Amino acid sequence: RKEVEQDPGPFNVPEGATVAFNCTYSNSASQSFFWYRQDCRKEPKLLMSVYSSGNEDGRFTAQLNRASQYISLLIRDSKLSDSATYLCVVNMPDDMRFGAGTRLTVKP
Amino acid sequence: DGGITQSPKYLFRKEGQNVTLSCEQNLNHDAMYWYRQDPGQGLRLIYYSQIVNDFQKGDIAEGYSVSREKKESFPLTVTSAQKNPTAFYLCASSLRGTNEKLFFGSGTQLSVL
Repeated sequence: RKEVEQDPGPFNVPEGATVAFNCTYSNSASQSFFWYRQDCRKEPKLLMSVYSSGNEDGRFTAQLNRASQYISLLIRDSKLSDSATYLCVVNMPDDMRFGAGTRLTVKP
Repeated sequence: DGGITQSPKYLFRKEGQNVTLSCEQNLNHDAMYWYRQDPGQGLRLIYYSQIVNDFQKGDIAEGYSVSREKKESFPLTVTSAQKNPTAFYLCASSLRGTNEKLFFGSGTQLSVL
């Protein structure tokens, strides 16, 4: 089993749609969690941290479920500019682990 | 401005040649990482270092070597033993702690001639 697994995607959605990604992790001792966004052949950039209480930043909502060991990212009212690959990142006791990423394409 | 700098942006390697990718940060971060990304794939950890003069192998360390002689610098050498080196290489750094965020360099695209 992979340490961090994401929805395989790709997700192709129309503008204005709501889309959700999930990510599961295997190590229950994991301490912190993040969503990064990566555009083609660019470095990943931090989108948001994920807290136990859930957190929201504009159209983006992230949630953590420690009991089931998964995190989620919800994007509302999707824009063309949201098209990218979304990476789930888990801070495990020894190092950071990345999911394989989920590709999102928002179409007009 | 503080940040993390990778160079070169593009690098070409001949058969049997070793090449070194540079990574420098002025963020005063203790931890530094090297990742490899293949087309359509996620990031895979090559090596990481939590402190100067110490580093650990990641998942795909074979054919690579690193050094950490200074806190600011974590160069990666792709040796001739790495038979499939073509990939996008990303260096990152973070503060040590329980809520680290990774800061990335802009990446190096390595190709084989």
